[in-house]
Amino acid sequence: QKEVEQDPGPLSVPEGAIVSLNCTYSNSAFQYFMWYRQYSRKGPELLMYTYSSGNKEDGRFTAQVDKSSKYISLFIRDSQPSDSATYLCAMSTLISNFGNEKLTFGTGTRLTIIP
Amino acid sequence: EAGVVQSPRYKIIEKKQPVAFWCNPISGHNTLYWYRQNLGQGPELLIRYENEEAVDDSQLPKDRFSAERLKGVDSTLKIQPAELGDSAVYLCASSSRLLESGELFFGEGSRLTVL
Repeated sequence: QKEVEQDPGPLSVPEGAIVSLNCTYSNSAFQYFMWYRQYSRKGPELLMYTYSSGNKEDGRFTAQVDKSSKYISLFIRDSQPSDSATYLCAMSTLISNFGNEKLTFGTGTRLTIIP
Repeated sequence: EAGVVQSPRYKIIEKKQPVAFWCNPISGHNTLYWYRQNLGQGPELLIRYENEEAVDDSQLPKDRFSAERLKGVDSTLKIQPAELGDSAVYLCASSSRLLESGELFFGEGSRLTVL
């Protein structure tokens, strides 16, 4: 069993819809939770970052972490065609003075927003 | 500010041939990572450098893979000899101790096809 599980999709929704992306994990030592967005033939870029449990909102994006259930979510409101990309969840146990000790990624969910 | 630069972007070789990838991280970033991303999968860490020291190379297949970061700036990842299963995108990333999130900044990747 992988430490981080993510439905690979693909997921297609109409423009303006609310999108829900999810990951589950098994390692209870994970404390830092991130969502990266990866456009085709590009490197991943950080979208949202959360430490421990709770919610975080940034514009149309909301990240939720439920450590008791080992479950994290990313919600996208008023989805746009430009949101079409692969969304990767990522988790880390420790961020030291030198950065992420080890970042573990999910497989990524491929999302398409249909105009 | 320039991002993480990788070259070459694409490489096609026959099995048993050698190949090398180069990465120049963001200026001032002490930590450098090499990840491998197989098709439809999330990135997986190969090696992490703090300055010129390889602090985590546990996932690097040392029989055929090698890496160096001699002056603590740019880095080279080498595969010799390449196998069919090495076909993947090799991503370089860097991070700064100044960022609380430990955000990784990725390059666009080097796409390797082994025939």
